[in-house]
Amino acid sequence: EAEVAQSPRYKITEKSQAVAFWCDPISGHATLYWYRQILGQGPELLVQFQDESVVDDSQLPKDRFSAERLKGVDSTLKIQPAELGDSAMYLCASSPQGAQNTGELFFGEGSRLTVL
Amino acid sequence: QKEVEQNSGPLSVPEGAIASLNCTYSDRGSQSFFWYRQYSGKSPELIMFIYSNGDKEDGRFTAQLNKASQYVSLLIRDSQPSDSATYLCAVTRSTGKLIFGQGTTLQVKP
Repeated sequence: EAEVAQSPRYKITEKSQAVAFWCDPISGHATLYWYRQILGQGPELLVQFQDESVVDDSQLPKDRFSAERLKGVDSTLKIQPAELGDSAMYLCASSPQGAQNTGELFFGEGSRLTVL
Repeated sequence: QKEVEQNSGPLSVPEGAIASLNCTYSDRGSQSFFWYRQYSGKSPELIMFIYSNGDKEDGRFTAQLNKASQYVSLLIRDSQPSDSATYLCAVTRSTGKLIFGQGTTLQVKP
């Protein structure tokens, strides 16, 4: 069964360091999402790509976060510098079309970030 | 006011009972409504979606939608311990953006 691949699963870093997460969506899925989920809260959308274009990055803290999906396939989310408040689960999801059509997002296992 | 509100719980029900999970939303233009299940330490998975007012049944799960009251619910019949998880309500805004609630933790006790 096709899955969304994410790495690393766990990352511990010190504040002010740089960190990067990678995501490979299900083959053929044009839409890719990065969500952040703080413990006890629901996922919050950071950025949405349609192919290689950013559709929504209104909640992405652009002073420290960046995301790219250069060839419209896999994607990287970077944080530099990391802050204590960035500790969370970073979830990548993909869908064959935008969520407004089906809402069926396929999530990866997530990357848990701890900032010390 | 949050766009999608859920009681964080925990909601505790005995095995075999009906669990009722509720969600309200603020954007009257919302058209699509979803329930995701998230086991502890795992990622969310879609279990139900509903677009029209009324009830939609799938096995032991029933989603209910009342757009006039801006209210969505999920009923789980014959609850099993394996249903113990956090249930996330998600709503598509009139702009097309999918917004998640904070989730309700369900505990089914044997």
